[in-house]
Amino acid sequence: QSALTQPASVSGSPGQSITISCTGTSSDVGAYNYVSWYQHHPGKAPKLMVYDVSNRPSGVSNRFSGSKSGNTASLTISGLQAEDEADYYCNSYTSSDTVVFGGGTKLTVL
Amino acid sequence: QVQLVQSGAEVKKPGASVRVSCKASGYTFTTYAIHWVRHVPGQGLEWMGWINAGNGDTRSSQKLQGRVTITRDTSASATYMELSSLRSEDTAVYYCTRRYGGYANFDYWGQGTLVTVSS
Repeated sequence: QSALTQPASVSGSPGQSITISCTGTSSDVGAYNYVSWYQHHPGKAPKLMVYDVSNRPSGVSNRFSGSKSGNTASLTISGLQAEDEADYYCNSYTSSDTVVFGGGTKLTVL
Repeated sequence: QVQLVQSGAEVKKPGASVRVSCKASGYTFTTYAIHWVRHVPGQGLEWMGWINAGNGDTRSSQKLQGRVTITRDTSASATYMELSSLRSEDTAVYYCTRRYGGYANFDYWGQGTLVTVSS
């Protein structure tokens, strides 16, 4: 099972919006609405930001939103804030009853 | 409140095995699956496997199959991940995490356990 494909890095200025893509296959992202997004500061545990493609857990800002089209899922962060600077990972359930993560995207807030 | 508390850091020699524990509290242990994920320094998150805490069924990644064993002790509300034939590339922070609802939703995470493999 190959890792899902994410851009290595994205950047934006405070107040702007950015989108991170997550491309898989018809056996994972395209097959199920089981894509989640995590914010990770190295040394700390990852934090669930979006689940089941577009749902936000309680307590997560509505500046974070998710969507999916075909084999590609996306995370959009609007109104960028300095505290959003982190690594972001997508993951997906697969047809093999396993889970696969994306390679991760480093978000820099300029 | 839900908590997953992992065992402490380990230093192992190549070829050895390591067992990391993850003790759950604040919810009914057998209701949710526990997954294991690792973060290799400078690399991304890697899914390792999972266990159905209710019936003990397990599944592991193809890459680690044969080297990773996940078990649970319902009386202790604990899950264990054992990785054998350790290599330097296994040096990583290992996390246990609870799956909630959908198949890829990991809502609570342990604090992480650093495993260092070095001769």
